[in-house]
Amino acid sequence: QKEVEQNSGPLSVPEGAIASLNCTYSDRGSQSFFWYRQYSGKSPELIMFIYSNGDKEDGRFTAQLNKASQYVSLLIRDSQPSDSATYLCAVITEEDFNKFYFGSGTKLNVKP
Amino acid sequence: DAGVTQSPTHLIKTRGQHVTLRCSPISGHKSVSWYQQVLGQGPQFIFQYYEKEERGRGNFPDRFSARQFPNYSSELNVNALLLGDSALYLCASSWTGVSYNEQFFGPGTRLTVL
Repeated sequence: QKEVEQNSGPLSVPEGAIASLNCTYSDRGSQSFFWYRQYSGKSPELIMFIYSNGDKEDGRFTAQLNKASQYVSLLIRDSQPSDSATYLCAVITEEDFNKFYFGSGTKLNVKP
Repeated sequence: DAGVTQSPTHLIKTRGQHVTLRCSPISGHKSVSWYQQVLGQGPQFIFQYYEKEERGRGNFPDRFSARQFPNYSSELNVNALLLGDSALYLCASSWTGVSYNEQFFGPGTRLTVL
């Protein structure tokens, strides 16, 4: 069973702060890691992906991957109220590269 | 460019009935995946199809089936509906069915089983 774990939250941060979202995974064969944002009642939107150890930046978002420790994180700089949503972590493994395994998501609240 | 489209948007069925959900991928995408998302949970993988062939199947009973058509659109069928099948059903498309996929989700079909 491939586990993807996320703290359900809610994580509350003030506007302008850095929000840090974390995800751990159980399968060491995990290859690629994705962050999706899901607004209430809507479908997930892809934010970014990462597959190499280290940091990857895209605008206000930075994904960080540490395969040795089996975690991936998403940093949101200058958080805005519009960032308030549930953030889903998803992984693809080498064994099941056709399947995305999702965590349950972390709910983020950015307070004005 | 049109994104992934799904129909219908909402559906209400009763236990024991059958349902068919439809998905059209982004133009040029050849792979379609289906997910079930229960309230408060992340999406759970049901199927992936690529070039009309099933490439992956999640831990769902045989009541769930799917197929992909020559134009890459797809249908998800669920027989003998149970109350627990109530969920948001998401379709995601990607360009290929091989390693490293960026999947783009459609708006989903909200299924309620009474």
